[in-house]
Amino acid sequence: NAGVTQTPKFRILKIGQSMTLQCTQDMNHNYMYWYRQDPGMGLKLIYYSVGAGITDKGEVPNGYNVSRSTTEDFPLRLELAAPSQTSVYFCASSYVGRNQPQHFGDGTRLSIL
Amino acid sequence: GQQLNQSPQSMFIQEGEDVSMNCTSSSIFNTWLWYKQDPGEGPVLLIALYKAGELTSNGRLTAQFGITRKDSFLNISASIPSDVGIYFCAGLGGGTSYGKLTFGQGTILTVHP
Repeated sequence: NAGVTQTPKFRILKIGQSMTLQCTQDMNHNYMYWYRQDPGMGLKLIYYSVGAGITDKGEVPNGYNVSRSTTEDFPLRLELAAPSQTSVYFCASSYVGRNQPQHFGDGTRLSIL
Repeated sequence: GQQLNQSPQSMFIQEGEDVSMNCTSSSIFNTWLWYKQDPGEGPVLLIALYKAGELTSNGRLTAQFGITRKDSFLNISASIPSDVGIYFCAGLGGGTSYGKLTFGQGTILTVHP
């Protein structure tokens, strides 16, 4: 089973460039999430989605946008890359339900120079 | 917002020793989760706890959901070199934080052969 798949695995951007981080899951999970992990820190929630067409902000949404046109895909877009967005980005998904654990992809390592 | 305090921040132990780490919160959670993250990979779910007082094992790992619903601990018995990694606790809340995980800062575990 593929689970949660993220692409690309690594990327270097220049300040001001834009890019889209891709995330897809094949588990038919309704809930999907984007986190960022800075060195030595835990994960902080950027955006989440409870189903196709529905998204909401997490703890650190500034500088990012998301869309959810299908159950499987939840892309994260950076419009104007800034050095503060250098981080490792993780996508996760879970079943519908209050207490369902989240399953994570392997991450995208992004550097803004 | 909700915060989790995870301790210790790091541990250096000899192979065969037991390990204990814990998380505390000022808020109540409905679910406690423990994840392990290996270098270059996403967090992998180890144990999920759904009820206050619940004690759950997964091989050499044992975790408990505190009675107050504000804390949890993870024990690893007879550690082996492949236990090396970062361990994260995470809480799932209800109400306005429905479905959103709050992560601890992580415990870095090093096991010396």
